Amino acid sequence: DIQMTQSPSSLSASVGDRVTITCRASQTISSNLNWYQRKPGKPPKVLIYAASSLQSGVPSRFSGSGSGTDFTLTISSLHPEDFATYYCQQSYTTPWTFGQGTKVEI
Amino acid sequence: EVQLVQSGAEVKKPGESLRISCKGSGYSFTAFWITWVRQMPGKGLEWLGRIDPSDSYTDYSPSFQGHVIISADNSLNTAYLQLNSLKASDTAIYYCARLAGTYPHSWFDPWGQGTLVSVSS
Repeated sequence: DIQMTQSPSSLSASVGDRVTITCRASQTISSNLNWYQRKPGKPPKVLIYAASSLQSGVPSRFSGSGSGTDFTLTISSLHPEDFATYYCQQSYTTPWTFGQGTKVEI
Repeated sequence: EVQLVQSGAEVKKPGESLRISCKGSGYSFTAFWITWVRQMPGKGLEWLGRIDPSDSYTDYSPSFQGHVIISADNSLNTAYLQLNSLKASDTAIYYCARLAGTYPHSWFDPWGQGTLVSVSS
């Protein structure tokens, strides 16, 4: 299985901060990497697919980059509604696997 | 609106079985794979498997092969996740999601609201 490792596991930030979350795959996955946001009591929601494509309806302050094994999710200016847990997921090959999550807290 | 609606919370005893449903609406049900993901308490997301409703082809994570069965009833636009020989460690929230995009550039969107399964003696 491809292992996905996110860092950090959690971070504290303030409204307006620039936040960067990284995700590393245990082998190359090309650009087959997705990012999800999960808030308590809600299902995950896709933010970025194929490493850098912004899902329709997602604010432009979210962006993704990377290819191969190293990927980044950036929130350019943190909004109050962005406090959540973020997961990366590889779709390169099954079994599809997720990172362990990054909790963004105040 | 594309929507997946799952069946309600379940409380089961060890050794029992259960089936969770996931009803799709707002799109052609047979045109998109359905996938299942679980989240154990305080843990991350784990992919269980997927089904192509057009021909019922399934693909399971080796970690769950033999423990779960995924099926679909196209006449009802509904996919199912069956869990057998339940253990306390099966306590989790189970999500279905539609597979968007074209493999391998595929992603999960939208997700069902989740079904909480509690297994306790």
